[in-house]
Amino acid sequence: GAVVSQHPSWVICKSGTSVKIECRSLDFQATTMFWYRQFPKQSLMLMATSNEGSKATYEQGVEKDKFLINHASLTLSTLTVTSAHPEDSSFYICSGGQGRYEQYFGPGTRLTVT
Amino acid sequence: RKEVEQDPGPFNVPEGATVAFNCTYSNSASQSFFWYRQDCRKEPKLLMSVYSSGNEDGRFTAQLNRASQYISLLIRDSKLSDSATYLCVVTPSGNQFYFGTGTSLTVIP
Repeated sequence: GAVVSQHPSWVICKSGTSVKIECRSLDFQATTMFWYRQFPKQSLMLMATSNEGSKATYEQGVEKDKFLINHASLTLSTLTVTSAHPEDSSFYICSGGQGRYEQYFGPGTRLTVT
Repeated sequence: RKEVEQDPGPFNVPEGATVAFNCTYSNSASQSFFWYRQDCRKEPKLLMSVYSSGNEDGRFTAQLNRASQYISLLIRDSKLSDSATYLCVVTPSGNQFYFGTGTSLTVIP
């Protein structure tokens, strides 16, 4: 299957700082990528749909000014958590794929905000 | 109402048992359905797609019931390595994927 990478895999930051997470499709082009968040013992929650060359589409309840998404190329989408707070600590996962068909997930980024 | 609902379990079954999970979805226009497996602290990995006619892959059988808007996953002859969280995924019209909360399975020796 296709490969999606994420960087960093684990990050600790202080409250108030911003953190950027990269999601790359290594062997395919992804016009659309998805960003999810998963809290412990909960399912993945779709945060936003990242569209190459245009604005991201955010799910209800997700602050677009706090979670900045940039999809500058067909192989890279970035999620920036701005002014992070402890409640933003979570497992962030991106995915990419071919339209409505199977999605390939990145290995995830574990964010801890102290 | 949630897009996708699953019984979170946990399901604790002995090795060799047969276990089934169900998942209901709310959008009757949903077009694609999948079962993913997620191990602790790992990303989800596709287990199988779910087709209208049902499909089988070894010990795993997936079924779709459009009339009742649910999908199911049956695991036969459970192995210890089957222990994981199983997520059903539904794709409404468009490119968005919605996950169920996941069903936790532990296979006991």
